[in-house]
Amino acid sequence: QSPLTQPSSVSGSLGQSITISCTGTSGDIGAYNYVTWYQQYPGKAPKLIIYDVNNRPSGVSFRFSGSKSGNTASLTISGLRAEDEADYHCSAHSSTRSVIFGGGTRVTVL
Amino acid sequence: EVQLVESGGGLVQPGGSLRLSCAASGFSFSDFYMDWFRQAPGKGLEWVGRATNYKGDTYTTSYAASVRGRFTVSRDDSKLYLQMNSLEVEDTAVYYCAQNYYYRSEYWGQGTLVTVSS
Repeated sequence: QSPLTQPSSVSGSLGQSITISCTGTSGDIGAYNYVTWYQQYPGKAPKLIIYDVNNRPSGVSFRFSGSKSGNTASLTISGLRAEDEADYHCSAHSSTRSVIFGGGTRVTVL
Repeated sequence: EVQLVESGGGLVQPGGSLRLSCAASGFSFSDFYMDWFRQAPGKGLEWVGRATNYKGDTYTTSYAASVRGRFTVSRDDSKLYLQMNSLEVEDTAVYYCAQNYYYRSEYWGQGTLVTVSS
């Protein structure tokens, strides 16, 4: 069982917005603003899309946004496109375990 | 251009050892913390271990509880290493090295597959 809890799958239609949740504890997500989101295609390395809760690296689409409330972080993908179909992993800094991850969420575009 | 290239993966029997390497280029390698991550087939990502930046031939390391005492992270001025001993079936995964910069990893290698099986 992963330290952070994500839904195993989320789906949405083209053009829709979807939100993926990532729930931790007061010792990780609730304590620090070091929440990171990665996008991963099958057989490929993860790609950083959000860092420090709500910051996008250069070159990442504005359609990806992050937020946090209490012990839960969220990733929103707006204007869903076919190329957004991938796995999404949340990660957080933990006071006891350095870096922790969720189990990953498979996004399906209908 | 930042590049990270892992090597050394393969098939090993339970109880065996393997050493992974990660060759870095395109950035000042010694200035950055470096991490090893892994991903078991069909599973999520897991942090394995870290080496801090490399100053005056010294650095410190830290490990996930699942590998502490069996795995050792080391580095020199251009490569990161992961020595894996007492391997278990549960260590089967793709292993990635990644640059760590203020709690995030923007640059990853392509991964190397380690299979532990008899």
